[in-house]
Amino acid sequence: DAMVIQNPRYQVTQFGKPVTLSCSQTLNHNVMYWYQQKSSQAPKLLFHYYDKDFNNEADTPDNFQSRRPNTSFCFLDIRSPGLGDAAMYLCATSRAWGDTQYFGPGTRLTVL
Amino acid sequence: EDQVTQSPEALRLQEGESSSLNCSYTVSGLRGLFWYRQDPGKGPEFLFTLYSAGEEKEKERLKATLTKKESFLHITAPKPEDSATYLCAVQIDNNDMRFGAGTRLTVKP
Repeated sequence: DAMVIQNPRYQVTQFGKPVTLSCSQTLNHNVMYWYQQKSSQAPKLLFHYYDKDFNNEADTPDNFQSRRPNTSFCFLDIRSPGLGDAAMYLCATSRAWGDTQYFGPGTRLTVL
Repeated sequence: EDQVTQSPEALRLQEGESSSLNCSYTVSGLRGLFWYRQDPGKGPEFLFTLYSAGEEKEKERLKATLTKKESFLHITAPKPEDSATYLCAVQIDNNDMRFGAGTRLTVKP
């Protein structure tokens, strides 16, 4: 089945220790997104890629970086996680910018 | 400022008790309104897209409607498996998406 896959599902890291979250998709969609969602809050867009064009939201902290080495994969790097970065990180894809977004299952990040 | 507000924040229903969830928006230009269902610890699952006032979409016990200022998600005769958080998202003129904080629905048997 075509889908959006995120690994790992649960990630525990220590304060200040870099962490990388991964997302892959078999939908062959052009656009990939990373969202941060804290408990009982709306998903907050961090970045999106249209193909290889990277778009950073204005209020995304510099501590967050992203890479998209090919159409299928996208990575979220958190260089120095703080306690406030503990959240669910959601990856989504869409065929084109503005089309319906399809989400992966998310990665729950815990920062100790 | 573009805003999406969902109400109520939480809703508890008895099985079979129909109700509606509300998503109101103030945006510069609506290109589409999306409803998603999110189960605890999982990613949002796409339900519907609505593009213009007066449009309606249905899926099983769910029916989504759209006016110029708000959208309703009607749940008819809900079952416990309908328990989830329902998210509304609005796509605006520049194709940015704005999400609401969701309505947490609990259906008791």
